[in-house]
Amino acid sequence: AIRMTQSPSSFSASTGDRVTITCRASQSISSFLAWYQQKPGKAPTLLIYAASTLQSGVPSRFSGSGSGTDFTLTISCLQSEDFASYYCQQYYTDPWTFGQGTKVEIK
Amino acid sequence: QISLKESGPTLVKPTQTLTLTCTFSGFSLSTSGVGVGWIRQPPGKALEWLALIYWNDDKRYSPSLKSRLTISKDTSKNQVVLTMTNMDPVDTATYYCAHISKYCTGGSCYYLDYWGQGTLVTVSS
Repeated sequence: AIRMTQSPSSFSASTGDRVTITCRASQSISSFLAWYQQKPGKAPTLLIYAASTLQSGVPSRFSGSGSGTDFTLTISCLQSEDFASYYCQQYYTDPWTFGQGTKVEIK
Repeated sequence: QISLKESGPTLVKPTQTLTLTCTFSGFSLSTSGVGVGWIRQPPGKALEWLALIYWNDDKRYSPSLKSRLTISKDTSKNQVVLTMTNMDPVDTATYYCAHISKYCTGGSCYYLDYWGQGTLVTVSS
């Protein structure tokens, strides 16, 4: 199975900060990568698919980049509602696999 | 508007079989390119993909759980059912079903776009 490794596992940031989360795949997955946001007690919601395509309705402060094995999720100006956990997921091949998650906390 | 909702027991005993139903609306599982997947999340832990089924009845399973899982669909009822045998306390988790869309041509062009609210299943005697 393809292993997805996110970094950092958690960090603190302030409203208005630009933040970047990285995701590395153990082998090339082309651009078959999605990013999800999850708030406590809630289901994940899709932010980005195909590594860089913003899901309809997602604010433009979210962006994704990368291909092959290295990917990033960037939030250009962190808002209060963005404090949550974020997961990357590859769907290049079965079994689909998720990263371990990155928790963004308020500084 | 696509929506999905998971249902099933909240508590199961070790060695029992878990049956979860995903009831959905806003799409048909007879439409080409559509699928439904199951994902779980133990308390405080990461997401784990379990299984999926496509419109053409193609089924895929997590290799580590394949011997214990069965996924099926009832297109007329707009439901997908997941069964997991021989439940153990480590299987305690919130179980989600999610809609799968296709966005390009090719075998890898499927992704999870709409998720149900999830259902917490506790395994305990």
